[in-house]
Amino acid sequence: DTAVSQTPKYLVTQMGNDKSIKCEQNLGHDTMYWYKQDSKKFLKIMFSYNNKELIINETVPNRFSPKSPDKAHLNLHINSLELGDSAVYFCASSQQGAFQPQHFGDGTRLSIL
Amino acid sequence: AQTVTQSQPEMSVQEAETVTLSCTYDTSESDYYLFWYKQPPSRQMILVIRQEAYKQQNATENRFSVNFQKAAKSFSLKISDSQLGDAAMYFCAYRINAGNQFYFGTGTSLTVIP
Repeated sequence: DTAVSQTPKYLVTQMGNDKSIKCEQNLGHDTMYWYKQDSKKFLKIMFSYNNKELIINETVPNRFSPKSPDKAHLNLHINSLELGDSAVYFCASSQQGAFQPQHFGDGTRLSIL
Repeated sequence: AQTVTQSQPEMSVQEAETVTLSCTYDTSESDYYLFWYKQPPSRQMILVIRQEAYKQQNATENRFSVNFQKAAKSFSLKISDSQLGDAAMYFCAYRINAGNQFYFGTGTSLTVIP
């Protein structure tokens, strides 16, 4: 009965590779997000989709490309991975209505060798 | 600009004591909502408590309560009877009524001393 699930939980890969992280939510929410949390625990918004439409696109290298096939899924593809991409990536979802909190996935720890 | 400031990078509290984590925010909006999230070492992000800005009454959830001062744009979290399981990073966040974006602070790392 996991609400927001991300796969994989851990990802170890070489510099220059391409990788994807998948996210699915079964809460019926209409908005999904990707965050990057660095080693200092700062949470930085990367992207947000509302009903499959991109609504937030922060200053992120264009090596990062989100894709939302439907409102329950938001995947993150990263090309040409760099050392600085090492971080924990969180997917989250929320329902329309500002009092609705975000529900987070467990995070994907990405380590670049 | 929408910003959230948590001025205490680290805090510690003795088990069973009370601790207050501070949070201030800057917004020109009048209609918004405030949240506190907890991130234990397991790295899950867990909602602790939330507050509607138009409500004067401070929210309370068991041992967790907030002190919301709208004029001062302050939203502090009080943890009473601290337990070892309260040790975590705590993030303050807010969301304006008209938007989908959540604005997070930089977090406060709370240590609970047995």
